[in-house]
Amino acid sequence: KAGVTQTPRYLIKTRGQQVTLSCSPISGHRSVSWYQQTPGQGLQFLFEYFSETQRNKGNFPGRFSGRQFSNSRSEMNVSTLELGDSALYLCASSLSTLTKAFFGQGTRLTVV
Amino acid sequence: QKEVEQNSGPLSVPEGAIASLNCTYSDRGSQSFFWYRQYSGKSPELIMSIYSNGDKEDGRFTAQLNKASQYVSLLIRDSQPSDSATYLCAVGGNMLTFGGGTRLMVKP
Repeated sequence: KAGVTQTPRYLIKTRGQQVTLSCSPISGHRSVSWYQQTPGQGLQFLFEYFSETQRNKGNFPGRFSGRQFSNSRSEMNVSTLELGDSALYLCASSLSTLTKAFFGQGTRLTVV
Repeated sequence: QKEVEQNSGPLSVPEGAIASLNCTYSDRGSQSFFWYRQYSGKSPELIMSIYSNGDKEDGRFTAQLNKASQYVSLLIRDSQPSDSATYLCAVGGNMLTFGGGTRLMVKP
């Protein structure tokens, strides 16, 4: 069974630009969550989607948004990038929030 | 605000010893509990899940859950240098909440 796939793996963007990250969950998984991880910080929850609906949202500004498609694939978008947005962005998929969540390899975003 | 607390460490143990990692959580309604291992520069890898009070063993790993005291722990027996990583505790309810992680160092 294929794992969680995130694309791209690495990204370099300039301040003010926007970026879209993609996540393909494990087949059959309908819950997709996004996290931001920076040095010295824990995993910070961004949002969770289940069957195309955003069920939970973390404490991030509105520049961070996401969506989920009918095939459970998910995208997150960050607009007006800031230097502080440089981080490892992780996607995790699961059957539900009560079951095992599996992470993708992450997208490392660098904002210059 | 649902919280999951872990000692950041580092926890240093000699090779072959038992490493004990602990985690406390604030939401009494939590129903699922997980331990992840994360190597530097890599994504978290699920190593244990536990849903009911008591112990659950898988190879060298044992997860322990005490819902009354709201803590969950992970024991690693016969610790190896390759176990050196950050261990993340995660608690599931209506969403999955992670602790800050404990850095484990196993010295040869």
